[in-house]
Amino acid sequence: SQQGEEDPQALSIQEGENATMNCSYKTSINNLQWYRQNSGRGLVHLILIRSNEREKHSGRLRVTLDTSKKSSSLLITASRAADTASYFCATEGLGLTGGGNKLTFGTGTQLKVEL
Amino acid sequence: GAVVSQHPSRVICKSGTSVKIECRSLDFQATTMFWYRQFPKQSLMLMATSNEGSKATYEQGVEKDKFLINHASLTLSTLTVTSAHPEDSSFYICSAGRRSSGNTIYFGEGSWLTVV
Repeated sequence: SQQGEEDPQALSIQEGENATMNCSYKTSINNLQWYRQNSGRGLVHLILIRSNEREKHSGRLRVTLDTSKKSSSLLITASRAADTASYFCATEGLGLTGGGNKLTFGTGTQLKVEL
Repeated sequence: GAVVSQHPSRVICKSGTSVKIECRSLDFQATTMFWYRQFPKQSLMLMATSNEGSKATYEQGVEKDKFLINHASLTLSTLTVTSAHPEDSSFYICSAGRRSSGNTIYFGEGSWLTVV
């Protein structure tokens, strides 16, 4: 399987704490993306980092990418109860034929932020 | 608001019947859409790439005769689960990239299929 691995599988923290999730992948990529999914719902795109970028910020989110280690991390600072969801990394590989946007998802991290 | 719409959001069907799920891009044209399947508490697995005007490209292990994909227009792709069995019960999600948004990928809200 080409699916990426994420850890931890589950993470429970208190509101206000930071949450860090890690993602490893197997092949060379064009970019890596992080998505959020509330239980039983569709996916919401959070942030995209290109293969030539090392770090990116968006609000309370910070994403890093280490292509030499084929890994990425997502940091959510000052977490809120509303951040409770599953988080997935997804990679877009190289050499795609027409269409692009074919994503390979990681296994996901279930984040629970408690009051 | 949603830019990719799926219908129905939930469907229950009897074993042996077929069910169709629609994926629409609401305000943009999508020559390519993607269909994923997600089992409870698991990740998304790509099933196939839906190509407007041509045959879909299926991932290894996905039966093309069981999961029929039709992309007849630039805004609509359909996934038909034929002769459904309980093990086909899953969450099916489609996605499409919108070029005007820098090829940002938008996902539909997903469709829960329960086969009884």
